Amino acid sequence: KQEVTQIPAALSVPEGENLVLNCSFTDSAIYNLQWFRQDPGKGLTSLLLIQSSQREQTSGRLNASLDKSSGRSTLYIAASQPGDSATYLCAVKNSGGSNYKLTFGKGTLLTVNP
Amino acid sequence: EAGVAQSPRYKIIEKRQSVAFWCNPISGHATLYWYQQILGQGPKLLIQFQNNGVVDDSQLPKDRFSAERLKGVDSTLKIQPAKLEDSAVYLCASSLDLSADTQYFGPGTRLTVL
Repeated sequence: KQEVTQIPAALSVPEGENLVLNCSFTDSAIYNLQWFRQDPGKGLTSLLLIQSSQREQTSGRLNASLDKSSGRSTLYIAASQPGDSATYLCAVKNSGGSNYKLTFGKGTLLTVNP
Repeated sequence: EAGVAQSPRYKIIEKRQSVAFWCNPISGHATLYWYQQILGQGPKLLIQFQNNGVVDDSQLPKDRFSAERLKGVDSTLKIQPAKLEDSAVYLCASSLDLSADTQYFGPGTRLTVL
């Protein structure tokens, strides 16, 4: 059974700092890994998706890396802004026959202080 | 393109009462998912539909939860009778098909059971 762990559970940083969020998973036979953002009272928004054959993906100030063999991924946020404050969720997709299931971590609650 | 719609957004009920949630996925999306997100946890898949058929309901508490997607479009999730531990946000998501990389999430329904 796939298990996803995210560290830290919460993080508070001053505006402008670079930061790293960590995600680990127990079953390395994944199809892809995705980072989501969740704002209070809203659904999940996909930020970056890394296929199992890829090492990293970048979008603006965000960079996500994947080391499938060690079961780890990191989300790097450069020059953080107060608008980045949200919960960040890591999710891995495993193939279960014809059914592709997403398993989520508990998330990291990020607060960026002005 | 319209996103995933859910209603109601909030619901407060007493234990042992029943409640129903509604989801309208993105037009043309064959796969629909219901997730339960308890405070401080990541979303947990309850049930997954492909058109009007159930693909995975292994984590659905079938003694009290039921879901249907009769015409392969809209879906309803019902809880009867509700327990205190059912307090959570219920998220609906949809994707083009089972193997699609991206799931699109609705805003969720926040259920409080008193």
